[in-house]
Amino acid sequence: DIVMTQSPDSLAVSLGERATINCKSSQSVLYSSNNKNYLAWYQQKPGQPPKLLIYWASTRESGVPDRFSGSGSGTDFTLTISSLQAEDVAVYYCQQYYSTPLFGPGTKVDIK
Amino acid sequence: EVQLVESGGGLVQPGRSLRLSCAASGFTFDDYAMHWVRQAPGKGLEWVSGISWNSGSIGYADSVKGRFTISRDNAKNSLYLQMNSLRAEDTALYYCAKGQSIAVAGRMDYWGQGTLVTVSS
Repeated sequence: DIVMTQSPDSLAVSLGERATINCKSSQSVLYSSNNKNYLAWYQQKPGQPPKLLIYWASTRESGVPDRFSGSGSGTDFTLTISSLQAEDVAVYYCQQYYSTPLFGPGTKVDIK
Repeated sequence: EVQLVESGGGLVQPGRSLRLSCAASGFTFDDYAMHWVRQAPGKGLEWVSGISWNSGSIGYADSVKGRFTISRDNAKNSLYLQMNSLRAEDTALYYCAKGQSIAVAGRMDYWGQGTLVTVSS
């Protein structure tokens, strides 16, 4: 079974600064036949359900601000918030959908 | 507008059963897989179960396999989760989520507000 890990567990970033979250899968989630990484990122704000931010590792969902970007391939992925805004305070989860869906443990982002 | 409304949660004793429902609207229900995802208090997200568009493919997390059964009624635009032999560790907010494809192995683009299940004597 695939195991998902995220780092760090939490981070505090100053407003306007960059936040970087890492996600690692124990097996590659790159499907060779279509060269797509089956990896998504979600944002969950307090008291709210999760919101899909990015899929195929780097494709932004409609309406997601372009300060959010995803990168990586195979087993190592990164979510970057280029200029942190107050409304970005949340827990961020990666999820693989190469096989039975599985979420990472989450990374909490706060303002420094 | 896509809407997913869960119901059926509540307080239940260990070993008993509960059936969750999710009423969907605002999209063509039988074009997409559907999922249940739970979140224990203060914890992360755990995918529980998913069902393909035509119920032909179903998956469960190991933690619920053999105890929970997912089903859907495309005529009623509804998703269900029958939960048997409930345990304290099943206590969580249960979300209904719409898949972005027909397959169980997929991502989820819309989520309900959740229904709370508390397993306690």
